[in-house]
Amino acid sequence: KAGVTQTPRYLIKTRGQQVTLSCSPISGHRSVSWYQQTPGQGLQFLFEYFSETQRNKGNFPGRFSGRQFSNSRSEMNVSTLELGDSALYLCASSVPQLTSGTDTQYFGPGTRLTVL
Amino acid sequence: DQQVKQNSPSLSVQEGRISILNCDYTNSMFDYFLWYKKYPAEGPTFLISISSIKDKNEDGRFTVFLNKSAKHLSLHIVPSQPGDSAVYFCAASGNRDDKIIFGKGTRLHILP
Repeated sequence: KAGVTQTPRYLIKTRGQQVTLSCSPISGHRSVSWYQQTPGQGLQFLFEYFSETQRNKGNFPGRFSGRQFSNSRSEMNVSTLELGDSALYLCASSVPQLTSGTDTQYFGPGTRLTVL
Repeated sequence: DQQVKQNSPSLSVQEGRISILNCDYTNSMFDYFLWYKKYPAEGPTFLISISSIKDKNEDGRFTVFLNKSAKHLSLHIVPSQPGDSAVYFCAASGNRDDKIIFGKGTRLHILP
């Protein structure tokens, strides 16, 4: 079974531009979450989509948005890029774990975004 | 306000000895706790989890202990191996539909 894939892997943009990142979950997974990883802040939750609906949202400004398609693929968009948006953006798809009662997330390799 | 805290940014342990990674949380509503391991240039991978109804969960060399009264959990790796060198993230969630909150991570170095 193929893992979570993210495209592109690396991206360089300039301030003020917008960017769209893509995530394809593991086949059969309906939940997709997005995270921002920076050296100082670790992994910060952006949002989660389940069956095309946003189920949870983190504390990020409205410049960060996302959506999920009927095939569970998800996109994340960042508008009006700022220097501080430079980070590794990770996508994770999840499946419920019956034994633990929570979902186990499977992460993609991430998209490294650099804003100049 | 950081709800999941990993106060040690890094930890060095001799190969073959026990590695203990610690994590504290502030939200008493958290019911599920997870540990993830991350190598450079890869996404985190799930290691082990524990529900709040338990105080210990073991999987091979990895054991997670949960102390609810102290709002503290720890990951024990015995014996530590060179391949265990990575960043370890502690994470917590209120329930299945709740978002998962991650700590900032602890970089573990296994020394030869």
